[in-house]
Amino acid sequence: QPVLTQPTSLSASPGASARLTCTLRSGINLGSYRIFWYQQKPESPPRYLLGYYSDSNKHQGSGVPSRFSGSKDASSNAGILVISGLQSEDEADYYCMIWHSSAVVFGGGTKLTVL
Amino acid sequence: EVQLVESGGGLVQPGGSLRLSCAASGFTFSSYAMSWVRQAPGKGLEWVSAISSSGGSTYYTDSVKGRFTISRDNSKNTLYLQMNSLRAEDTAVYYCAKSAGSNPFYEFDPWGQGTLVTVSS
Repeated sequence: QPVLTQPTSLSASPGASARLTCTLRSGINLGSYRIFWYQQKPESPPRYLLGYYSDSNKHQGSGVPSRFSGSKDASSNAGILVISGLQSEDEADYYCMIWHSSAVVFGGGTKLTVL
Repeated sequence: EVQLVESGGGLVQPGGSLRLSCAASGFTFSSYAMSWVRQAPGKGLEWVSAISSSGGSTYYTDSVKGRFTISRDNSKNTLYLQMNSLRAEDTAVYYCAKSAGSNPFYEFDPWGQGTLVTVSS
């Protein structure tokens, strides 16, 4: 079982909200990790969106709109990225990341389609 | 403006070597840890290696340990990745990325544009 699991794809309509999940492997305590989120559009490098540890310990990337927000769901041991007021330009691949045992782990990525 | 510009990619035969460089500007390079992340064609992101701001601590993913070496020259504001014993599965775009602190355990922001490494006979 991978350390981080993301749904392969997600579709949502313009103006709606999209909820992207990043589930930590059983036995890995979500509460101990800061979850980082990145957006990648075709033929471009990844862009840092935000990092989330708790509501009092979070960081928004420079220039990243507030409609991108992070949270955690302890019941599912998952980090969450919510994109509200979806726009066509939000169509991209989204990756979550953690530092685990002095190494970086990326989720497999979620392809978000806005249609 | 922070800029990271990778170079050194290209076509190399299996078993060959290549050294990637990442020229940094727009920030105090010696104060920040750096990382290399790769992306195989059509695939997701895979972290390769990281180095602390001083160069005193280095970290590697298991698949490259013993083959790749990360280093930095703070006098030249340049990050390196020496890649030896290259395999077909090392084929990817290699990105360098800046960490938010002197140790690597932060977000990667920003990333360079990447350099393509192709391992093929």
